[in-house]
Amino acid sequence: EPEVTQTPSHQVTQMGQEVILRCVPISNHLYFYWYRQILGQKVEFLVSFYNNEISEKSEIFDDQFSVERPDGSNFTLKIRSTKLEDSAMYFCASRTSGSTQYFGPGTRLLVL
Amino acid sequence: SQELEQSPQSLIVQEGKNLTINCTSSKTLYGLYWYKQKYGEGLIFLMMLQKGGEEKSHEKITAKLDEKKQQSSLHITASQPSHAGIYLCGASLNSGGSNYKLTFGKGTLLTVNP
Repeated sequence: EPEVTQTPSHQVTQMGQEVILRCVPISNHLYFYWYRQILGQKVEFLVSFYNNEISEKSEIFDDQFSVERPDGSNFTLKIRSTKLEDSAMYFCASRTSGSTQYFGPGTRLLVL
Repeated sequence: SQELEQSPQSLIVQEGKNLTINCTSSKTLYGLYWYKQKYGEGLIFLMMLQKGGEEKSHEKITAKLDEKKQQSSLHITASQPSHAGIYLCGASLNSGGSNYKLTFGKGTLLTVNP
């Protein structure tokens, strides 16, 4: 069964460094999402992406964040200058034209 | 106040017992999704409900949607240790467009004792 995959599974970085989190959505999916979950808190929407552009973003998704679909398979989230409060589990999700989103296993980001 | 309230926050049951988890929205629901998450792992899709009165089942898990109450319940019959995990309800709360961004509840931690 097709799955959303994410790499790396864990990332440790120093504050101020740039990180890129990678996702390979399910191949025939058209809509892509990033969510995050700070330890002990709710899963929160960050951004949605369709037709090579951002369709919606949350207040969390400020100028330090960007997304890209560099080729036909990858979907990336970049954090330009990480902060301590960016430490979280980051989930990628994708869907077809139907509404159900399928989530990846997540990347655990730790900013020191 | 929270847009999606889940109750209870945690639940410990003996294997074989039935249980129910509730999810109540403070806004109109345009789709209600149940996911299961094992600690520190990804979200596994369980069921999606869209219409009032809709009920879906998969194996021993049944979910219902009460549109008037803006509430959904997830019921597990004859629980097993494999049902243990965090159950999350997610909802599409915006009526416009086709974005379907999800708002999540805080989750219900289910422990099933053998």
